[in-house]
Amino acid sequence: AQKITQTQPGMFVQEKEAVTLDCTYDTSDPSYGLFWYKQPSSGEMIFLIYQGSYDQQNATEGRYSLNFQKARKSANLVISASQLGDSAMYFCAMRDDQTGANNLFFGTGTRLTVIP
Amino acid sequence: DAGVTQSPTHLIKTRGQQVTLRCSPISGHKSVSWYQQVLGQGPQFIFQYYEKEERGRGNFPDRFSARQFPNYSSELNVNALLLGDSALYLCASSYLAGGQGTQYFGPGTRLTVL
Repeated sequence: AQKITQTQPGMFVQEKEAVTLDCTYDTSDPSYGLFWYKQPSSGEMIFLIYQGSYDQQNATEGRYSLNFQKARKSANLVISASQLGDSAMYFCAMRDDQTGANNLFFGTGTRLTVIP
Repeated sequence: DAGVTQSPTHLIKTRGQQVTLRCSPISGHKSVSWYQQVLGQGPQFIFQYYEKEERGRGNFPDRFSARQFPNYSSELNVNALLLGDSALYLCASSYLAGGQGTQYFGPGTRLTVL
């Protein structure tokens, strides 16, 4: 069974500094996808970044990068140059690419607060 | 282009009632998925529909049902509401049924059951 673990309920970061949000996963399937979503207080889940299990390089999207360590089953999100607007809940999610379905398994999230 | 839209934004029901939530996917997206997010937790998968057919179902009771229409919009129905059904219901659309299809979420419908 797939499982996503986010061990940091809350994180604080100074504006303009970098922050790493941790995510570990557990699956026995060789083909899977890993995602990070941002959820502001409004509730909408905003897609940030995707990493496929066979991708050789770490994914990057602007200020977001995913530190993918397959052997450790970790997929940490790195946010560089934090901004006040980055304050939100962040969820790590995994998709099992072998079933043909597109359902995501989410972690419990990390609340990030950016301090001015 | 418009994103995923959901209606209504908020809803208050009493125990035992029935509710219908609606979702319109991003134009061109043929897959719609529904998730339930209870306060303090991550979203949990309820259903996925692709080309009007159910492609996946999460661990939810039969009180939950859904359907997808020819224009790819979708409805989620919940019968015999319980207090525990109070949650944010999120709809997500993707272009592909699986594989590399990234899911894009709507703003959600916040359901309160009294």
